[in-house]
Amino acid sequence: EPEVTQTPSHQVTQMGQEVILRCVPISNHLYFYWYRQILGQKVEFLVSFYNNEISEKSEIFDDQFSVERPDGSNFTLKIRSTKLEDSAMYFCASSGGSRSYNSPLHFGNGTRLTVT
Amino acid sequence: AQTVTQSQPEMSVQEAETVTLSCTYDTSESDYYLFWYKQPPSRQMILVIRQEAYKQQNATENRFSVNFQKAAKSFSLKISDSQLGDAAMYFCASRTSGSRLTFGEGTQLTVNP
Repeated sequence: EPEVTQTPSHQVTQMGQEVILRCVPISNHLYFYWYRQILGQKVEFLVSFYNNEISEKSEIFDDQFSVERPDGSNFTLKIRSTKLEDSAMYFCASSGGSRSYNSPLHFGNGTRLTVT
Repeated sequence: AQTVTQSQPEMSVQEAETVTLSCTYDTSESDYYLFWYKQPPSRQMILVIRQEAYKQQNATENRFSVNFQKAAKSFSLKISDSQLGDAAMYFCASRTSGSRLTFGEGTQLTVNP
């Protein structure tokens, strides 16, 4: 069964540094997402992406964050000038179908980001 | 805006027994989907079951079934014949015509041998 893959599985970075989290969505999916989960807390929506542009973003997704689909297969989340509170598990997800809410999201295994 | 509430932070069940996890939601939309995701210690998010709001029949996937009460905005998950591998965090989630999937706080399920 096709899977969403994320790399790296664990990223450690120093406060103030930039990180790029990478995802390869399922190949025929049209909608892409990033979510994060701070340890012990609920999964929070960050951003959704469709047709090469952001379709929705949360209040968490401020100017520190950006997303890109650089080559038709990868979907990246860039975090500029990381802060301690950015430490979390970041999940990429994708879904297919013409009506986005009709399709379940398929999640990757996540990237654990640790900011020191 | 959507909200999803799971009022049981932790639940436990004996192996082979049945357990029900509760979830309530709130939305102003008439058309939406509801989901249960499982997150084992590996922290991967795995889809367990989904329910279309316009369908009256409760969804079933093998040992997993839901009790969808639309008027009460309730969406509980029943796990029958619980197995040790069912131990995980379970998240209820909802989604409307927007792209955002909104999660509840999660319920940690322990399965006792």
